[in-house]
Amino acid sequence: ELKVEQNPLFLSMQEGKNYTIYCNYSTTSDRLYWYRQDPGKSLESLFVLLSNGAVKQEGRLMASLDTKARLSTLHITAAVHDLSATYFCAVEANFGNEKLTFGTGTRLTIIP
Amino acid sequence: EAGVAQSPRYKIIEKRQSVAFWCNPISGHATLYWYQQILGQGPKLLIQFQNNGVVDDSQLPKDRFSAERLKGVDSTLKIQPAKLEDSAVYLCASSGGIGTYNSPLHFGNGTRLTVT
Repeated sequence: ELKVEQNPLFLSMQEGKNYTIYCNYSTTSDRLYWYRQDPGKSLESLFVLLSNGAVKQEGRLMASLDTKARLSTLHITAAVHDLSATYFCAVEANFGNEKLTFGTGTRLTIIP
Repeated sequence: EAGVAQSPRYKIIEKRQSVAFWCNPISGHATLYWYQQILGQGPKLLIQFQNNGVVDDSQLPKDRFSAERLKGVDSTLKIQPAKLEDSAVYLCASSGGIGTYNSPLHFGNGTRLTVT
């Protein structure tokens, strides 16, 4: 059974600081997704990582994938309050079937 | 394009009652998913449809949950009878279909179910 773990579960950081969220998974996979969820809202797709070494960047967020280590990171640069949300990684267990297993989520709070 | 539509937005029922949720996916999306998200956890897949056929329902509690996708478009998820532990947000998602490798899932706003 595929297991997806994120850490930290909670993260409180000051504006302007950098930090990284980690996503580890237990079985081989070449596809990993990052989603953002605001309180009471649905999930918004941030990144799709499709191969080993993939790196995607959008604004202050950068995601990377190391399939050999079964690890993805979401790096936040110079955090701003608008980035406060819960971030989920999700892994596709079998390539092409689009069945996603989600991590537990990281609740990020940016303090002014 | 219009997003994934779900209704109702909220539902409060007593245990042992039944409830149904409705989902209309993005037009043209062949694959539809129902996820259950318990407070403080990540979404868990309940069932996946490809057109009107079930691809995966291994985590659907079939003694009380049922889902259908007639005509390969809209879908309904039913719980009968509900238990307290069914309190959660039920998210519907759709995607372009198996084989469209660069397509993330698009989620609806969810139905928040409270069972008392």
